[in-house]
Amino acid sequence: KAGVTQTPRYLIKTRGQQVTLSCSPISGHRSVSWYQQTPGQGLQFLFEYFSETQRNKGNFPGRFSGRQFSNSRSEMNVSTLELGDSALYLCASSQGLAAQETQYFGPGTRLLVL
Amino acid sequence: AQSVTQPDIHITVSEGASLELRCNYSYGATPYLFWYVQSPGQGLQLLLKYFSGDTLVQGIKGFEAEFKRSQSSFNLRKPSVHWSDAAEYFCAVGAPGYSSASKIIFGSGTRLSIRP
Repeated sequence: KAGVTQTPRYLIKTRGQQVTLSCSPISGHRSVSWYQQTPGQGLQFLFEYFSETQRNKGNFPGRFSGRQFSNSRSEMNVSTLELGDSALYLCASSQGLAAQETQYFGPGTRLLVL
Repeated sequence: AQSVTQPDIHITVSEGASLELRCNYSYGATPYLFWYVQSPGQGLQLLLKYFSGDTLVQGIKGFEAEFKRSQSSFNLRKPSVHWSDAAEYFCAVGAPGYSSASKIIFGSGTRLSIRP
């Protein structure tokens, strides 16, 4: 079974631009979560989607948004990029929503904002 | 709310030596506990998890962890490390009864280097 894939793997943007990141979960997985990983803040939860509905959102500004499609693929969007948005964005999929579900992580998208 | 602490930012051990990575948590009851490993340029991979039952948990790649309620700890161990074990290790704690990844809190990570 193919793992979680994320595209693109690397991205360079300038302040004020917007960016869209994509995540394809493992086949059969209905839950997708997004995380931001930075050296200073570590791994921080962004949002969680299940059956095309956002179930939870972390403490991030409204510039961060996402969605999930009927095939469980998910996208996240960051508008009006700031330097502080430079990070590794990780996507994880699981079969269900429960906290004990094993999450399978993708390799991440490394975003650099100049 | 739960919290998790990994006291060691960076650890270096010799190849073939034993390893113990520390993890302490704060939670009112027995939490869900996880250890993940992240190799350079990769996402996180689950090594092992504890929900209940036997306090000694076996994981992949020869790792094990022991849940000690009295010490609020869930330390990761390996009897003999290999150069390929060099990576960042994350302890995570989840809140039972909550159906959400948002209730899983990750530690700040411990970077493991292997001395040849």
